[in-house]
Amino acid sequence: EDKVVQSPLSLVVHEGDTVTLNCSYEVTNFRSLLWYKQEKKAPTFLFMLTSSGIEKKSGRLSSILDKKELFSILNITATQTGDSAIYLCAVISNTGNQFYFGTGTSLTVIP
Amino acid sequence: KAGVTQTPRYLIKTRGQQVTLSCSPISGHRSVSWYQQTPGQGLQFLFEYFSETQRNKGNFPGRFSGRQFSNSRSEMNVSTLELGDSALYLCASSLEGFPYEQYFGPGTRLTVT
Repeated sequence: EDKVVQSPLSLVVHEGDTVTLNCSYEVTNFRSLLWYKQEKKAPTFLFMLTSSGIEKKSGRLSSILDKKELFSILNITATQTGDSAIYLCAVISNTGNQFYFGTGTSLTVIP
Repeated sequence: KAGVTQTPRYLIKTRGQQVTLSCSPISGHRSVSWYQQTPGQGLQFLFEYFSETQRNKGNFPGRFSGRQFSNSRSEMNVSTLELGDSALYLCASSLEGFPYEQYFGPGTRLTVT
């Protein structure tokens, strides 16, 4: 059964800390992996990763994919209270273009 | 540029009824995808429309259907509603199409009683 597992389920850190969020997957015929940030309701697209070892970076956020070990990490450096959100990982399969979401990691950044 | 809009934002229906939700994508985007989000199942993909054609479909029963109009606006219909259909329904639009960079709307909260 195809699945995407995120860890930890929740995380509380202080402003300025660096966090690493994990996403592991078992998906047939992998196509790409996406990261989203969800605040309140609508997810916001962060990154799409298709190749191993190539880091995607946007400001304080960065992500990398390991297709051999079947996981991705999302790093957030110098966290701010505005980073508090649920971070979702999704994997797309070429088989029927199926789209599998993890259950998310809830990040809380306290001042 | 205006974002993705969804109407209505909240809806209460009873079992057995049907419901139609609407989504207007970002101007210029031809792809609209629909998702269901529940506390138990998380976010799940329903289907994607691109230029009025359904291109991708998730594992949902036939009670869930959709369509897309020539102006890229999309509607999702759920017939014979069940209590388990209570969820937040999100739509997302994309310039290049699923699964590339998608922009989500605020969602429609459907409650089935």
